[in-house]
Amino acid sequence: EVQLVESGGGLVQPGGSLRLSCAASGFTFNSYGMSWVRQAPGKGLEWVSTVSGSGGSTYYADSMKGRFTISRDNSKNTVYLQMNSLRAEDTAVYYCAKDDSSSMSYMDVWGKGTTVTVSS
Amino acid sequence: QLVLTQSPSASASLGASVKLTCTLSSGHSSYAIAWHQQQPEKGPRHLMKLNSDGSHSKGDGIPDRFSGSRSGAERYLTISSLQSEDEADYYCQTWGTGITLFGGGTKLTVL
Repeated sequence: EVQLVESGGGLVQPGGSLRLSCAASGFTFNSYGMSWVRQAPGKGLEWVSTVSGSGGSTYYADSMKGRFTISRDNSKNTVYLQMNSLRAEDTAVYYCAKDDSSSMSYMDVWGKGTTVTVSS
Repeated sequence: QLVLTQSPSASASLGASVKLTCTLSSGHSSYAIAWHQQQPEKGPRHLMKLNSDGSHSKGDGIPDRFSGSRSGAERYLTISSLQSEDEADYYCQTWGTGITLFGGGTKLTVL
């Protein structure tokens, strides 16, 4: 069974940092791109970032460029999202998702999400 | 600019059918999309990929009641024999070189 389990969310002060992790199982991890998608309270889904299966290519939504860094460790079947200079508007549930191909594609498996709250 | 447009809300009666629409922006009518369902207080679930020719491939375990179709720049998700658990938010998603984006979502109410 394909499974994605996010962790690392929590309460952080504005300007702070947080690293999210997503542990994957049930598929050949390095063959698929992995993405992070977030959902602010009461709002819709917003794409954050995608990393290719090899880890050699990364993509970001404009509002996240320069503050967020996506990476993956294929030996650990884990994808990460390093978030710096956090703002109140980054408060959201962050979902990890498996892409359908080795690079940018649609998400065919979703995790349950981890909650990030940015507040003083 | 690549944009996906969805109506904010839709409603239909239990046992009836409903057709949700996702519209691709001008110049992007050849794009494939995906449909995702998000039930209340849950994470999203992938429903299907809908190709530009109207063919679709559904995710694991998605019932036959869910189907996809297209007309020009419009992409549709049809749900037949509506059940109470179909009450959810439905999002379309598309992707291109270095970008993925979602429509604003449609909140489906089952009456």
